[in-house]
This record gives sequence, C-alpha cells and structure tokens, in this order.
Amino acid sequence: SQQGEEDPQALSIQEGENATMNCSYKTSINNLQWYRQNSGRGLVHLILIRSNEREKHSGRLRVTLDTSKKSSSLLITASRAADTASYFCATLESGTYKYIFGTGTRLKVLA
Amino acid sequence: ETGVTQSPTHLIKTRGQQVTLRCSSQSGHNTVSWYQQALGQGPQFIFQYYREEENGRGNFPPRFSGLQFPNYSSELNVNALELDDSALYLCASSEVAGANVLTFGAGSRLTVL
Repeated sequence: SQQGEEDPQALSIQEGENATMNCSYKTSINNLQWYRQNSGRGLVHLILIRSNEREKHSGRLRVTLDTSKKSSSLLITASRAADTASYFCATLESGTYKYIFGTGTRLKVLA
Repeated sequence: ETGVTQSPTHLIKTRGQQVTLRCSSQSGHNTVSWYQQALGQGPQFIFQYYREEENGRGNFPPRFSGLQFPNYSSELNVNALELDDSALYLCASSEVAGANVLTFGAGSRLTVL
C-alpha cells in the first residue's frame, strides 16, 4: 500500500481530555499536513508542518515531526464533543505533486 | 470566496456503465486533484490537473480520466465501472501545484451495483 499509517485506528476519550494520534510515512517529504473529516464528508485542513520544522502549534493543536523516524504526532488538548471526527495525515512526496494520506484515526469524544 | 463544490452528491450506477463527476474549484485556485476514498480508508490520489494538463497520476487504470477547463473546473470520468469503484470521490483545489494546502469539496458518493 502507498498509504501511511495512523495509530491508533480508533480512540475514545472523555471531553476535556487530551487526544494524541500518530502518523508514520514511508518516503522523503516536503511537508506533512493533518486533516479532519466528519462523517464521510470532505476533509478540512488543520495544520501544515514543513520538513525543516520540528513542532508547530495552532490553537488547541500541537504537531510534531521527526523526519529521522518518518513520523508525526497530532495532539488535541482539552477535547470537545465537536472534535469527534476522523483525522488523517498527508505527506507530499518529494519531487511529485502527489499527496499520500494515511489510513486515519477515528476519534470519539464523549460528553 | 466560494469553496469547492462537487456534483452530484450521490449516484448509483451498474457495472459496466460510465460516470462523470464534476468539480468547481475555489476562487483563485488553479490546480485540481481527485481522490478516491473507500469506506474506512484514507483518500487515494487519482490525478492532478494544472492549467488544463494532467501533471501527476496515482496508481489508477486508464479508464479513470479527467479534464480541466479554462475556468479551472474539472471532471472525473470513469468508464466500464466495476464494483470496487464504489467509493467517495473527493475533489480538492489548491493555489498552485504541490506544497500547498488542499481545499476539499464534500465529495460524490458513487455506488456501483
């Protein structure tokens, strides 16, 4: 498969807790992005981290990138019921215009 | 600023038929990509169009083809439909090809019987 892998595949937490999901990829990249998808609808961009960055923050989101391990993590702090969705990482394969998406983490936040 | 719009939202076809899906890109975006998302999976890259030319293709057979028009809208055509073509087809536009944020439409859900 050309897809990356997300871990865990599914995650269920209580409102107010933090959620961490991980992504591993296979090739050299220019950047890595995280997207959210609600109920099989279109994906919404959350955050982009470039290959020369190690950490990035946006509101309640914190993303890390370790290019030596070909992995990234997304942390959502103080989760809300509205954060319930599937989360995907996407990498831009170097030298191409192809974005490769992971298999996704299904997050459920219980009120 | 309008987002990415796709049509139709749902459609049902039978094996062997042909389908055309349409996408209007976000204002100011000149690049359109198409993705296939099977149930429970991540989106898989089909191809990308920039200035009416295909400039990248994923691992899909030639019966998947596309077009981009001068106004940057796009079509995805699938011939000789197979059962495994049942999926959510997503269109995404971006300002330039590569290294940019993708803006996705809500998708067209195709069911092949």
